[in-house]
Amino acid sequence: QVQLQESGPGLVKPSQTLSLTCAVSGGFISSGDYYWSWIRQPPGKGLEWIGYIYYSGSTYYNPSLKSRVTLSIDTSKNQFSLKLSSVTAADTAVYYCARETLYYMDVWGKGTTVTVSS
Amino acid sequence: QSALTQPASVSGSPGQSITISCTGTSSDVGGYTYVSWYQQHPGKAPKLMIYDVSNRPSGVSTRFSGSKSGNTASLTISGLQAEDEADYYCSSYTNSGTLVFGGGTKLTVL
Repeated sequence: QVQLQESGPGLVKPSQTLSLTCAVSGGFISSGDYYWSWIRQPPGKGLEWIGYIYYSGSTYYNPSLKSRVTLSIDTSKNQFSLKLSSVTAADTAVYYCARETLYYMDVWGKGTTVTVSS
Repeated sequence: QSALTQPASVSGSPGQSITISCTGTSSDVGGYTYVSWYQQHPGKAPKLMIYDVSNRPSGVSTRFSGSKSGNTASLTISGLQAEDEADYYCSSYTNSGTLVFGGGTKLTVL
């Protein structure tokens, strides 16, 4: 059974870059059957789709975040990553990684809380 | 891309049925059969309940069903149980190639 686990700093200073990694176990990220996504949820608010990456490296981003987001994938480590630059307090959220079967997420990580504060 | 519109809250008694609506536009909900629904308990990750408008993943109770008419999708929960109390989010593919979520609906089981 596929499992996803997010990791990364829980605190990021304003204007810096948020970096998170999602480790995939129980399946191969390079299988080509799925896309690998990031979704976030600000405190007390709803979900926001950030984007996805395919094992080939092709990506698709939410236009509202596109200028600041970079997704990457490391098939040798069976993991994928999120970088969000120039963060502000509005980027404070729980960040989830998920397996996406176009166009829904069927397996989610437990989420990791990232706070943007000086 | 604007968020899909869901009621902020709905409630029902055990055993009853409730329906949560999700309204979009012809650029998302109305234009595709790619609407999904997620259940989220407090402090937990979302769980897929319905995909492609009306399909249930393996292991999801048959009490959960989905439908769509025009620009509005719906999630119906029949035989309401205490464990169904949670937040529910709809999601749709859009003509921009992105996914958009609804604002979420808090379900209270009275």
